[in-house]
Amino acid sequence: QQNVQQSPESLIVPEGARTSLNCTFSDSASQYFWWYRQHSGKAPKALMSIFSNGEKEEGRFTIHLNKASLHFSLHIRDSQPSDSALYLCAVSMSNYAQGLTFGLGTRVSVFP
Amino acid sequence: GPKVLQIPSHQIIDMGQMVTLNCDPVSNHLYFYWYKQILGQQMEFLVNFYNGKVMEKSKLFKDQFSVERPDGSYFTLKIQPTALEDSAVYFCASSSYRGEQFFGPGTRLTVL
Repeated sequence: QQNVQQSPESLIVPEGARTSLNCTFSDSASQYFWWYRQHSGKAPKALMSIFSNGEKEEGRFTIHLNKASLHFSLHIRDSQPSDSALYLCAVSMSNYAQGLTFGLGTRVSVFP
Repeated sequence: GPKVLQIPSHQIIDMGQMVTLNCDPVSNHLYFYWYKQILGQQMEFLVNFYNGKVMEKSKLFKDQFSVERPDGSYFTLKIQPTALEDSAVYFCASSSYRGEQFFGPGTRLTVL
């Protein structure tokens, strides 16, 4: 059974700093990897996804995947107060309408 | 962007009664999901649904649970009868065949 763990549990960073979040998974057959962001009381919303080893950048956000290490990460450049939220990583066996396995989340607070 | 709505946002019910949670998915999506999140735990996949049928369900999807989408209206999760351990936030999601699952803001169910 897939086990997804996130670290750290929480993070407080100053505005403008780089934020790094980690996610490990247990099933080496996992194929698709997601980061979701959830502001308080709102719906989780997908930020980025990746399926092949390496790095993918979209604006201030970069995702790294290392399948051999069973690890992926999210990096936020120039963190803004609006980035304060709960960040959830999720893993699936394919990109085709399957249930996602989520981590517990990392709560990020960016102070001005 | 596309939005998933969930009705109601909160529901309080006595143990043993029936409850129906409603989800209004993104209009052109054909795949639907329910997830359950107990306080302090990660969000866990319950079931996904396509073309009138359950495609995949987890061990959390008890016999007391059922899902349907009558005549293309709301996608519903019915619990009958409810138990104390059903108290949780239930998230609905929808997607096309590939790609991002769009989540609703959740329904908080309290079983007394």
